Amino acid sequence: EPEVTQTPSHQVTQMGQEVILRCVPISNHLYFYWYRQILGQKVEFLVSFYNNEISEKSEIFDDQFSVERPDGSNFTLKIRSTKLEDSAMYFCASMGGVNSPLHFGNGTRLTVT
Amino acid sequence: LAKTTQPISMDSYEGQEVNITCSHNNIATNDYITWYQQFPSQGPRFIIQGYKTKVTNEVASLFIPADRKSSTLSLPRVSLSDTAVYYCLVGHSSNTGKLIFGQGTTLQVKP
Repeated sequence: EPEVTQTPSHQVTQMGQEVILRCVPISNHLYFYWYRQILGQKVEFLVSFYNNEISEKSEIFDDQFSVERPDGSNFTLKIRSTKLEDSAMYFCASMGGVNSPLHFGNGTRLTVT
Repeated sequence: LAKTTQPISMDSYEGQEVNITCSHNNIATNDYITWYQQFPSQGPRFIIQGYKTKVTNEVASLFIPADRKSSTLSLPRVSLSDTAVYYCLVGHSSNTGKLIFGQGTTLQVKP
Protein backbone atom coordinates (compact mmCIF):
# COMPACT_ATOMS: atom_id res chain seq x y z
CA GLU A 1 0.00 0.00 0.00
CA PRO A 2 1.44 3.43 -0.92
CA GLU A 3 2.38 5.62 2.00
CA VAL A 4 3.44 9.13 2.89
CA THR A 5 7.09 9.32 3.89
CA GLN A 6 8.70 12.02 5.99
CA THR A 7 12.33 12.85 6.61
CA PRO A 8 14.10 13.20 8.90
CA SER A 9 12.35 11.27 11.63
CA HIS A 10 14.07 13.41 14.26
CA GLN A 11 15.62 16.86 13.93
CA VAL A 12 17.41 18.77 16.65
CA THR A 13 18.19 22.41 16.01
CA GLN A 14 19.19 25.51 17.87
CA MET A 15 16.86 28.41 18.42
CA GLY A 16 17.00 30.85 15.53
CA GLN A 17 18.10 28.28 12.97
CA GLU A 18 16.19 27.42 9.83
CA VAL A 19 14.81 23.92 9.37
CA ILE A 20 13.24 22.19 6.41
CA LEU A 21 10.99 19.22 6.96
CA ARG A 22 10.46 16.99 3.97
CA CYS A 23 7.55 14.89 2.85
CA VAL A 24 6.83 12.66 -0.11
CA PRO A 25 3.05 12.39 -0.45
CA ILE A 26 1.30 9.52 -2.18
CA SER A 27 1.98 9.97 -5.86
CA ASN A 28 -1.49 10.52 -7.33
CA HIS A 29 -2.79 12.63 -4.47
CA LEU A 30 -3.88 16.21 -5.02
CA TYR A 31 -4.24 17.78 -1.57
CA PHE A 32 -1.37 18.22 0.86
CA TYR A 33 -1.30 19.21 4.51
CA TRP A 34 1.01 19.93 7.41
CA TYR A 35 -0.09 19.40 10.98
CA ARG A 36 1.79 19.62 14.22
CA GLN A 37 1.31 18.00 17.59
CA ILE A 38 2.90 19.29 20.76
CA LEU A 39 3.55 16.48 23.25
CA GLY A 40 0.33 15.45 24.98
CA GLN A 41 -1.86 17.75 22.93
CA LYS A 42 -4.15 17.36 19.97
CA VAL A 43 -3.23 17.38 16.29
CA GLU A 44 -3.22 21.01 15.08
CA PHE A 45 -3.80 22.10 11.49
CA LEU A 46 -1.07 24.30 10.04
CA VAL A 47 -1.59 24.61 6.30
CA SER A 48 -3.12 22.99 3.24
CA PHE A 49 -1.87 23.10 -0.32
CA TYR A 50 -3.66 22.40 -3.57
CA ASN A 51 -2.94 23.19 -7.19
CA ASN A 52 0.47 24.62 -6.30
CA GLU A 53 -0.77 27.14 -3.82
CA ILE A 54 -1.82 27.44 -0.21
CA SER A 55 -5.54 26.75 0.24
CA GLU A 56 -5.86 27.52 3.94
CA LYS A 57 -3.58 28.28 6.84
CA SER A 58 -4.05 28.54 10.58
CA GLU A 59 -3.04 31.35 12.95
CA ILE A 60 0.01 29.25 13.87
CA PHE A 61 1.28 29.42 10.28
CA ASP A 62 2.80 32.91 10.46
CA ASP A 63 5.46 34.42 8.21
CA GLN A 64 8.13 32.25 9.83
CA PHE A 65 6.59 29.27 8.05
CA SER A 66 6.49 28.47 4.37
CA VAL A 67 5.60 25.47 2.23
CA GLU A 68 6.77 24.43 -1.16
CA ARG A 69 6.26 21.67 -3.68
CA PRO A 70 9.52 22.12 -5.58
CA ASP A 71 9.01 19.18 -7.92
CA GLY A 72 6.33 16.60 -8.64
CA SER A 73 7.03 14.53 -5.57
CA ASN A 74 8.30 16.51 -2.57
CA PHE A 75 6.33 18.75 -0.23
CA THR A 76 8.37 20.75 2.27
CA LEU A 77 7.73 22.84 5.36
CA LYS A 78 10.32 25.47 6.21
CA ILE A 79 10.60 27.26 9.52
CA ARG A 80 12.87 30.27 9.03
CA SER A 81 13.93 31.06 12.56
CA THR A 82 12.95 28.37 15.02
CA LYS A 83 11.67 29.13 18.50
CA LEU A 84 11.60 26.86 21.54
CA GLU A 85 7.82 26.59 21.20
CA ASP A 86 8.19 25.11 17.71
CA SER A 87 9.30 21.86 19.34
CA ALA A 88 6.66 19.32 18.31
CA MET A 89 5.88 16.40 16.03
CA TYR A 90 5.17 17.62 12.51
CA PHE A 91 2.96 15.44 10.34
CA CYS A 92 2.51 15.63 6.62
CA ALA A 93 -0.68 14.27 5.08
CA SER A 94 -2.05 13.87 1.59
CA MET A 95 -5.50 13.23 0.21
CA GLY A 96 -6.55 11.83 -3.14
CA GLY A 97 -9.69 13.86 -3.64
CA VAL A 98 -12.73 15.42 -2.03
CA ASN A 99 -14.20 13.12 0.62
CA SER A 100 -11.20 10.83 0.50
CA PRO A 101 -9.42 10.09 3.78
CA LEU A 102 -6.20 11.78 4.83
CA HIS A 103 -3.06 9.65 4.71
CA PHE A 104 -0.43 10.67 7.25
CA GLY A 105 3.29 10.14 7.44
CA ASN A 106 4.96 9.03 10.66
CA GLY A 107 6.10 12.52 11.42
CA THR A 108 9.26 14.46 12.15
CA ARG A 109 10.03 15.12 15.78
CA LEU A 110 11.51 18.62 15.92
CA THR A 111 13.42 19.60 19.04
CA VAL A 112 14.52 23.21 19.36
CA THR A 113 17.16 23.87 22.02
CA LEU B 1 -16.92 23.97 9.08
CA ALA B 2 -18.55 21.32 11.26
CA LYS B 3 -17.28 21.34 14.84
CA THR B 4 -17.05 17.96 16.52
CA THR B 5 -17.50 16.98 20.15
CA GLN B 6 -16.33 13.68 21.61
CA PRO B 7 -15.78 12.34 25.12
CA ILE B 8 -12.26 13.12 26.28
CA SER B 9 -11.58 9.60 27.52
CA MET B 10 -13.06 6.12 27.85
CA ASP B 11 -11.99 2.95 29.61
CA SER B 12 -12.75 -0.59 28.54
CA TYR B 13 -11.61 -4.17 29.12
CA GLU B 14 -10.24 -6.61 26.64
CA GLY B 15 -12.93 -8.46 24.70
CA GLN B 16 -15.60 -5.80 25.17
CA GLU B 17 -17.30 -3.80 22.44
CA VAL B 18 -16.52 -0.10 22.58
CA ASN B 19 -18.73 2.63 21.16
CA ILE B 20 -17.41 6.17 20.79
CA THR B 21 -19.90 8.86 19.81
CA CYS B 22 -19.09 12.11 18.06
CA SER B 23 -21.49 15.05 17.80
CA HIS B 24 -21.42 17.22 14.70
CA ASN B 25 -24.56 19.32 14.75
CA ASN B 26 -23.73 21.61 11.83
CA ILE B 27 -22.58 18.97 9.37
CA ALA B 28 -23.01 20.11 5.77
CA THR B 29 -25.13 18.18 3.29
CA ASN B 30 -22.22 16.78 1.32
CA ASP B 31 -19.83 16.16 4.22
CA TYR B 32 -18.54 12.71 5.01
CA ILE B 33 -17.62 11.52 8.50
CA THR B 34 -14.17 10.01 8.91
CA TRP B 35 -12.59 8.38 11.93
CA TYR B 36 -8.88 8.12 12.64
CA GLN B 37 -6.80 6.26 15.20
CA GLN B 38 -3.55 7.60 16.59
CA PHE B 39 -0.90 5.76 18.58
CA PRO B 40 1.79 7.69 20.48
CA SER B 41 4.49 9.17 18.22
CA GLN B 42 2.67 8.10 15.06
CA GLY B 43 0.50 9.94 12.57
CA PRO B 44 -3.27 9.44 12.66
CA ARG B 45 -4.40 6.44 10.68
CA PHE B 46 -7.67 6.15 8.75
CA ILE B 47 -10.12 3.67 10.26
CA ILE B 48 -13.47 4.14 8.55
CA GLN B 49 -15.57 6.66 6.64
CA GLY B 50 -19.27 6.99 6.01
CA TYR B 51 -22.03 9.30 4.83
CA LYS B 52 -25.19 7.78 6.28
CA THR B 53 -26.66 4.63 7.88
CA LYS B 54 -24.06 1.98 8.62
CA VAL B 55 -20.63 1.17 7.26
CA THR B 56 -18.56 -1.84 8.29
CA ASN B 57 -15.03 -2.86 7.48
CA GLU B 58 -12.59 -5.38 8.88
CA VAL B 59 -11.75 -3.29 11.96
CA ALA B 60 -14.83 -1.24 12.88
CA SER B 61 -18.40 -0.21 12.20
CA LEU B 62 -19.74 3.29 11.84
CA PHE B 63 -23.34 4.11 12.67
CA ILE B 64 -24.85 7.37 11.41
CA PRO B 65 -28.46 8.28 12.24
CA ALA B 66 -30.79 9.79 9.68
CA ASP B 67 -30.20 13.38 10.83
CA ARG B 68 -26.40 12.86 10.59
CA LYS B 69 -25.81 15.14 13.58
CA SER B 70 -23.79 12.46 15.32
CA SER B 71 -21.94 9.26 14.54
CA THR B 72 -20.80 6.27 16.56
CA LEU B 73 -17.61 4.32 16.00
CA SER B 74 -17.98 0.74 17.18
CA LEU B 75 -14.92 -1.40 17.89
CA PRO B 76 -15.83 -5.06 18.43
CA ARG B 77 -13.94 -7.08 21.06
CA VAL B 78 -11.15 -4.63 21.77
CA SER B 79 -7.65 -5.73 22.70
CA LEU B 80 -4.84 -3.96 24.52
CA SER B 81 -3.46 -2.85 21.16
CA ASP B 82 -6.60 -0.77 20.55
CA THR B 83 -5.46 1.66 23.26
CA ALA B 84 -5.13 4.89 21.29
CA VAL B 85 -6.68 8.27 20.61
CA TYR B 86 -9.67 8.24 18.26
CA TYR B 87 -10.68 11.30 16.25
CA CYS B 88 -13.76 11.99 14.18
CA LEU B 89 -13.38 14.47 11.35
CA VAL B 90 -16.16 16.08 9.39
CA GLY B 91 -16.06 18.46 6.48
CA HIS B 92 -14.13 17.06 3.56
CA SER B 93 -16.57 18.22 0.91
CA SER B 94 -17.39 21.65 2.29
CA ASN B 95 -13.78 22.67 2.75
CA THR B 96 -10.98 20.38 1.74
CA GLY B 97 -8.54 23.12 2.74
CA LYS B 98 -9.06 23.29 6.47
CA LEU B 99 -9.52 19.85 7.99
CA ILE B 100 -9.36 20.39 11.72
CA PHE B 101 -9.11 17.66 14.33
CA GLY B 102 -10.98 17.95 17.60
CA GLN B 103 -9.66 16.85 20.97
CA GLY B 104 -10.21 13.17 20.26
CA THR B 105 -11.16 10.37 22.63
CA THR B 106 -8.41 8.57 24.51
CA LEU B 107 -9.42 4.91 24.79
CA GLN B 108 -7.66 2.90 27.46
CA VAL B 109 -8.14 -0.86 27.19
CA LYS B 110 -7.36 -2.78 30.36
CA PRO B 111 -6.56 -6.48 30.71
